[in-house]
Amino acid sequence: AQSVTQLDSQVPVFEEAPVELRCNYSSSVSVYLFWYVQYPNQGLQLLLKYLSGSTLVESINGFEAEFNKSQTSFHLRKPSVHISDTAEYFCAVGANTGGFKTIFGAGTRLFVKA
Amino acid sequence: SQTIHQWPATLVQPVGSPLSLECTVEGTSNPNLYWYRQAAGRGLQLLFYSVGIGQISSEVPQNLSASRPQDRQFILSSKKLLLSDSGFYLCAWSSEWAQYFGPGTRLLVL
Repeated sequence: AQSVTQLDSQVPVFEEAPVELRCNYSSSVSVYLFWYVQYPNQGLQLLLKYLSGSTLVESINGFEAEFNKSQTSFHLRKPSVHISDTAEYFCAVGANTGGFKTIFGAGTRLFVKA
Repeated sequence: SQTIHQWPATLVQPVGSPLSLECTVEGTSNPNLYWYRQAAGRGLQLLFYSVGIGQISSEVPQNLSASRPQDRQFILSSKKLLLSDSGFYLCAWSSEWAQYFGPGTRLLVL
């Protein structure tokens, strides 16, 4: 079975500072990894995904995540955050185990302060 | 392009009343469809998923049910709501292993 652990429930950070949101997973099979973002009272939006190939993946708004197989991690980073990045971020792992399912972490609330 | 719709956006229902939430997807055929519930301050719980018309898999025992009467329509129902059914309900479809979510329905059971 797969599981996802987001190590921080809340991350406060000042505007223009760097941020890292941590995610660890466990799985007995090959996985696909995702980060989703949720703004208040909205559905989740796909931020970036790792399926195969380069272990470093990037989003269009400056976030990046690196798949580290040996550490079973997929941490999300941004070198300089904006107020508009304030949202809840969910790490997720998917695996084809006789039916493709995605397991979501509990979420990390990123709060960017001016 | 693909779009996913959910309605209603918000709903306040008394305990013991029935429920019907609807989700439709446009721009794709034979999608895998999912219903999730998100309780306040918590992550997502997968409730049901469907790989085709009339094919429903339930992930957790509960008083909710799901149906897929058409290829791109997914309905979440209950005969009698409980207080614990309050939450934010999200429908999603999947493509290339990623999931794409609708805007959600916020349900408050009083």
